Amino acid sequence: GPKVLQIPSHQIIDMGQMVTLNCDPVSNHLYFYWYKQILGQQMEFLVNFYNGKVMEKSKLFKDQFSVERPDGSYFTLKIQPTALEDSAVYFCASSSPGGEAETLYFGSGTRLTVL
Amino acid sequence: GDQVEQSPSALSLHEGTDSALRCNFTTTMRSVQWFRQNSRGSLISLFYLASGTKENGRLKSAFDSKERRYSTLHIRDAQLEDSGTYFCAAEAGGGSGNKLIFGTGTLLSVKP
Repeated sequence: GPKVLQIPSHQIIDMGQMVTLNCDPVSNHLYFYWYKQILGQQMEFLVNFYNGKVMEKSKLFKDQFSVERPDGSYFTLKIQPTALEDSAVYFCASSSPGGEAETLYFGSGTRLTVL
Repeated sequence: GDQVEQSPSALSLHEGTDSALRCNFTTTMRSVQWFRQNSRGSLISLFYLASGTKENGRLKSAFDSKERRYSTLHIRDAQLEDSGTYFCAAEAGGGSGNKLIFGTGTLLSVKP
């Protein structure tokens, strides 16, 4: 089936550094998402993105977070600067509008560890 | 805010048995999606429902079409490979794009 790829699968950085998480969404999808999952807990919505703009964001999407998708490239989540509480697995997802196609397809996540 | 209540939180089954997971929503939802997360953390989409029921092999899911406030996932003839954490996720609609609200998950363990 459709695949969303996330690079890297693991990232370890020091607190205060910048990190960029990369997502290669399903090729014909138009909506893009980031979710955050702290170990053992539920997935929580961060942000969705369409037509070059943030459509909706949650309170977890702090000012230090930003997303973008320059034409034809990865959909990225940047955290600058990072904090200890940013340690989590970040999942990217994509979807296309309309009926059954609104199924969200998730990547396998990037495990971020902030030391 | 909108909440998704998932039960049970953990479930242990013997191979060959049947069971069901349930998600209740505190408000009317537009659609529901069920996922299985494996031990490596990968999230696999099982079903997307805007109404009614869907079946795929030993799995069957239903979304209450009247009040749209609960969904179930039935597992028939459980196998070892069904083990994992199952999440339901619902979309309230009226927002921008498909913002999913996840349940807290059901940790399923299938034993020989």
